[in-house]
Amino acid sequence: AQSVSQHNHHVILSEAASLELGCNYSYGGTVNLFWYVQYPGQHLQLLLKYFSGDPLVKGIKGFEAEFIKSKFSFNLRKPSVQWSDTAEYFCAVGMDSNYQLIWGAGTKLIIKP
Amino acid sequence: EAGVAQSPRYKIIEKRQSVAFWCNPISGHATLYWYQQILGQGPKLLIQFQNNGVVDDSQLPKDRFSAERLKGVDSTLKIQPAKLEDSAVYLCASSFRDEQFFGPGTRLTVL
Repeated sequence: AQSVSQHNHHVILSEAASLELGCNYSYGGTVNLFWYVQYPGQHLQLLLKYFSGDPLVKGIKGFEAEFIKSKFSFNLRKPSVQWSDTAEYFCAVGMDSNYQLIWGAGTKLIIKP
Repeated sequence: EAGVAQSPRYKIIEKRQSVAFWCNPISGHATLYWYQQILGQGPKLLIQFQNNGVVDDSQLPKDRFSAERLKGVDSTLKIQPAKLEDSAVYLCASSFRDEQFFGPGTRLTVL
């Protein structure tokens, strides 16, 4: 069965540190890739998405992600994190035409001020 | 634009009781999803509707869970009878195409 793996369940960083959250999926066909974020007390919301074209995609709040097809990866990055980036981050992969998503387990990111 | 609405936000019941959750999607969104999110895991799709038809309910435990979307707008998800392992957050999402918009979820605790 298809699956999505997020390597770290918890990450703690200091402000201004660089961030990279890993996401790998198991599916050899065409995929649509998403990162969603859930800030404390808020709804899940879309951070960025990749469907085709430039494998480096930029999202809201300075986040970006790179699709590396050969590695089945879609890692999330931010050069300098802020305290307000404290949240849970989910990678999700769409593998069919029904817009269904398979989700990773999430990474809880804590930024120390 | 108004977001996805869900109620109730919290529910505590005893095992073997029944419970129902309600979702009102964003206006114009034809696709509606119900997810179950157990603590420490990502959302797991229970059922997907396209208008008032079911697209996929393969992961819905049909012996105890049921869902409907009358008139292709609001939706309800019911659990009857509840088990301890049903304790989770139940998320509703709607979409027009590829981006799913989520409601606040209902946190269910089964004692």
